[in-house]
Amino acid sequence: DAKTTQPPSMDCAEGRAANLPCNHSTISGNEYVYWYRQIHSQGPQYIIHGLKNNETNEMASLIITEDRKSSTLILPHATLRDTAVYYCIVRVASTGGSYIPTFGRGTSLIVHP
Amino acid sequence: EPEVTQTPSHQVTQMGQEVILRCVPISNHLYFYWYRQILGQKVEFLVSFYNNEISEKSEIFDDQFSVERPDGSNFTLKIRSTKLEDSAMYFCGGRGINEKLFFGSGTQLSVL
Repeated sequence: DAKTTQPPSMDCAEGRAANLPCNHSTISGNEYVYWYRQIHSQGPQYIIHGLKNNETNEMASLIITEDRKSSTLILPHATLRDTAVYYCIVRVASTGGSYIPTFGRGTSLIVHP
Repeated sequence: EPEVTQTPSHQVTQMGQEVILRCVPISNHLYFYWYRQILGQKVEFLVSFYNNEISEKSEIFDDQFSVERPDGSNFTLKIRSTKLEDSAMYFCGGRGINEKLFFGSGTQLSVL
């Protein structure tokens, strides 16, 4: 799996967009970018994933640069409940048993009033 | 929305005792996982399970650990003889044919 680099912490005002960056300069062509988050003491929660096109769902948007060496997770209108640790994971997509997300330190996002 | 259910939410045990952590995955999921998180540390993979057998396991998952899905619904993690260092939050996860992994709220295991 490609190595990822995320800032250890960020903060954001409630109602504003939270933009969480992730560098993955060694990503290979068949590796996807996945984002999960972990709200305090709960299990990780899947947010979104993508290969090269930008993706949007009900939770967030994922912007992947054209060279795929970095990406940004966007929470368009952050709320206090979005305070969590956000993990960027890069790996080959596999629908078989070998799909095993590996969680690093992530970015601790604090949303303040 | 369906959820992964883990019981108990908190388990306290004496060192050397056996514990069984229970999970009820989402009904149409096919692949099942156990992860753990020691306080202040990363979420670590323990084991994945598919078609009634272990698919992969990490170095943490030694002979003291076992998993089973005896009745097609419950998915359990057994620790045969607990050690102090087994104290952690244990998360059960599952997924269908896509890569969206759903986790339960965890069982906090405290070994005294």
